[in-house]
Amino acid sequence: DTGVSQDPRHKITKRGQNVTFRCDPISEHNRLYWYRQTLGQGPEFLTYFQNEAQLEKSRLLSDRFSAERPKGSFSTLEIQRTEQGDSAMYLCASSPPTGSSTEAFFGQGTRLTVV
Amino acid sequence: RKEVEQDPGPFNVPEGATVAFNCTYSNSASQSFFWYRQDCRKEPKLLMSVYSSGNEDGRFTAQLNRASQYISLLIRDSKLSDSATYLCVVNIPRVTGGGNKLTFGTGTQLKVEL
Repeated sequence: DTGVSQDPRHKITKRGQNVTFRCDPISEHNRLYWYRQTLGQGPEFLTYFQNEAQLEKSRLLSDRFSAERPKGSFSTLEIQRTEQGDSAMYLCASSPPTGSSTEAFFGQGTRLTVV
Repeated sequence: RKEVEQDPGPFNVPEGATVAFNCTYSNSASQSFFWYRQDCRKEPKLLMSVYSSGNEDGRFTAQLNRASQYISLLIRDSKLSDSATYLCVVNIPRVTGGGNKLTFGTGTQLKVEL
């Protein structure tokens, strides 16, 4: 499978615990995005990487959230001290470096439930 | 004002009907536009890009009006399998540092019924 891969697909955690999600983009894609989606809403932008550089971070991303892409390949999204309001689908997407009109390809997402 | 706004759903239509979705965007610097389709509990997938001259792909027609900052999607002869959420997506360039940000609308739910 050469698509965007996310792991895990589902995560249930207790409030206050830390969680980490991983995203493996399509191999030649240098752009990587993280989004969060709750029921009945469209995906909300969280952060964007171009290669290993984190170029933009949404104000939605509190200081409990951190994302990395250390070698410009896979990325991780960590949520510290999880809260019930963090329950959502976390989507990763990637796109190739061929201009701004290129579509993004999504992974299947990680569904987080904080209990 | 939201960066991308869509018609509220759901749209419930009979099979064979024609249905149109509208979307407006606020940032005039937006460079490219897409319609994505999202099935229940699945990831969004590209349905079609939207070009200034308008474009058609089978039963689907997309239009862009840059002056009014308005995008539309028309589905003709709707099928049961068209039932999904349709997301309007706008690619907004970053002011500094290059790159861009894909911004999504809330989505419009379509239900095609027998």
